[in-house]
Amino acid sequence: GENVEQHPSTLSVQEGDSAVIKCTYSDSASNYFPWYKQELGKGPQLIIDIRSNVGEKKDQRIAVTLNKTAKHFSLHITETQPEDSAVYFCALEDAGNMLTFGGGTRLMVKP
Amino acid sequence: NAGVTQTPKFRVLKTGQSMTLLCAQDMNHEYMYWYRQDPGMGLRLIHYSVGEGTTAKGEVPDGYNVSRLKKQNFLLGLESAAPSQTSVYFCASSPQRYEQYFGPGTRLTVT
Repeated sequence: GENVEQHPSTLSVQEGDSAVIKCTYSDSASNYFPWYKQELGKGPQLIIDIRSNVGEKKDQRIAVTLNKTAKHFSLHITETQPEDSAVYFCALEDAGNMLTFGGGTRLMVKP
Repeated sequence: NAGVTQTPKFRVLKTGQSMTLLCAQDMNHEYMYWYRQDPGMGLRLIHYSVGEGTTAKGEVPDGYNVSRLKKQNFLLGLESAAPSQTSVYFCASSPQRYEQYFGPGTRLTVT
């Protein structure tokens, strides 16, 4: 099946700094790329997604970029705040129309 | 709306015991999913359903069975629990293929 590699596995930033998480994949047929945020003890929550006909999408402090040629997509969080601390998962829709998830990134924002 | 709810929140089983996890959604979604989450491995799809009365295997279906007798409910069964099934189980639903809404999870320990 599809393989999604997510880096880094942990990321520590100072409040106010930017954070970038990157995912690479192998299936060129993928067309849907969501990002989920999981807070401690809760289920994942969709925060932003991008379709293959768009290279970049922004929603306030978060943005996602997609490079289909290089087969990678990234999550960018600017002006990080302590409440951004969570585990972030990238995902993509595979050939069977199901989501395949990356291994997750634990983001810690230090006040 | 309660969204997606899961019952129970925690459970401890002995090897060989059986149990059923219940997922309920009140958003009238067609698609429902069961995932397991293990450390460093993201979420892996166990089984899914594209509508009432239908089920299909995901990436890791062995040792699990599911049923979708009512549109709002999706049951995950373990007939003979094994320690390898110790995990956190998440249910999700979606109106169509894309955006998935997750429940709060069930933490299962098999001793």
